[in-house]
Amino acid sequence: SQKIEQNSEALNIQEGKTATLTCNYTNYSPAYLQWYRQDPGRGPVFLLLIRENEKEKRKERLKVTFDTTLKQSLFHITASQPADSATYLCALETGSGNTGKLIFGQGTTLQVKP
Amino acid sequence: SQTIHQWPATLVQPVGSPLSLECTVEGTSNPNLYWYRQAAGRGLQLLFYSVGIGQISSEVPQNLSASRPQDRQFILSSKKLLLSDSGFYLCAWSVGGAEQYFGPGTRLTVT
Repeated sequence: SQKIEQNSEALNIQEGKTATLTCNYTNYSPAYLQWYRQDPGRGPVFLLLIRENEKEKRKERLKVTFDTTLKQSLFHITASQPADSATYLCALETGSGNTGKLIFGQGTTLQVKP
Repeated sequence: SQTIHQWPATLVQPVGSPLSLECTVEGTSNPNLYWYRQAAGRGLQLLFYSVGIGQISSEVPQNLSASRPQDRQFILSSKKLLLSDSGFYLCAWSVGGAEQYFGPGTRLTVT
């Protein structure tokens, strides 16, 4: 079965630096991969979706890459700010047709220090 | 615009009591609906999903059940709660099988 690995250790960086989070998967390559942000006590918020035929996608200060050979996605936040502090979840589609089912990683907590 | 509601926001229930959590979506038609549970410090576990009224698929065997009596209403139930049912319950919707939009969640504590 598909497994997703995100770094369970918190990532601490200084304000203004680029944060890079990693998502590795072990089995089939999904048709698309998504990233979500979750703040404590809140539901996840969708950030970006990248398809298997896309190498890179950008949205404002966010950038996502998708390497189907390495079975890995990288999520970058440039010019990080304390407000970017949150847990970031990687999610993969499960190949279940139009059900939209996703498998979520456990998330990586990012702490941006001023 | 679309919105999703969940209630209650928090709930404390004794072991063996029944449970009913409700989720409603506004501003979209025929969405896919999902129930997730997130244990403390853990990832999201998909419990149920529905692609239409009365169509429920269960992902994990458990003492929970789900129903979809209306297009934009999704209910999570249990006849008798267990301690292990404690967690953060999240409802989500999607259209077209792509990104999901989550509700605010219900924090359930079973005592």
